[in-house]
Amino acid sequence: DQQVKQNSPSLSVQEGRISILNCDYTNSMFDYFLWYKKYPAEGPTFLISISSIKDKNEDGRFTVFLNKSAKHLSLHIVPSQPGDSAVYFCAVPFSGGYNKLIFGAGTRLAVHP
Amino acid sequence: NAGVMQNPRHLVRRRGQEARLRCSPMKGHSHVYWYRQLPEEGLKFMVYLQKENIIDESGMPKERFSAEFPKEGPSILRIQQVVRGDSAAYFCASSEGQSNTEAFFGQGTRLTVV
Repeated sequence: DQQVKQNSPSLSVQEGRISILNCDYTNSMFDYFLWYKKYPAEGPTFLISISSIKDKNEDGRFTVFLNKSAKHLSLHIVPSQPGDSAVYFCAVPFSGGYNKLIFGAGTRLAVHP
Repeated sequence: NAGVMQNPRHLVRRRGQEARLRCSPMKGHSHVYWYRQLPEEGLKFMVYLQKENIIDESGMPKERFSAEFPKEGPSILRIQQVVRGDSAAYFCASSEGQSNTEAFFGQGTRLTVV
């Protein structure tokens, strides 16, 4: 029973173009969403987050969009760079605990020159 | 200012042996979380500990797995009588507070059961 789904296991994008990573969730009570980035042989690092009271949050090249009615969020990376090549996880806190997180399965992004 | 330190980075155990995974949180952090990542899957929450207390172990398998975070020293995740299905990457995260504070992850311990 996956509460957070990332249906695209991989994505390949050319350098300079936009990368769009998608995430769907099932529980309309979720009110905070996070994206993590993970390089091989390293732990996840926090990238960007969004509260359910917003529909967009931007940080430099990274923007997260939230569509509550569709229970969908997306991460946009513009422009994509080779160093962005990593696995991206969306995550949602369990109720009652900020750092007790439910992770999606991840999307492996490859940015090629 | 060292980050979250996990050791060993790689651990190989034979079926039936015990595995001990260690996690030293960031300085000043008293909240520790353990997650497990199976191949091609996301991280799954296992247990949340504060110093000397287990706060939430709802993600821990009922048998063979235990965790502690003593007053002094690192947090330990112990797996007794390991089986092949325990092979995974185990990540520890720490945070300064319980809510509304970012958790920082260690590099993980990759356990291989042969």
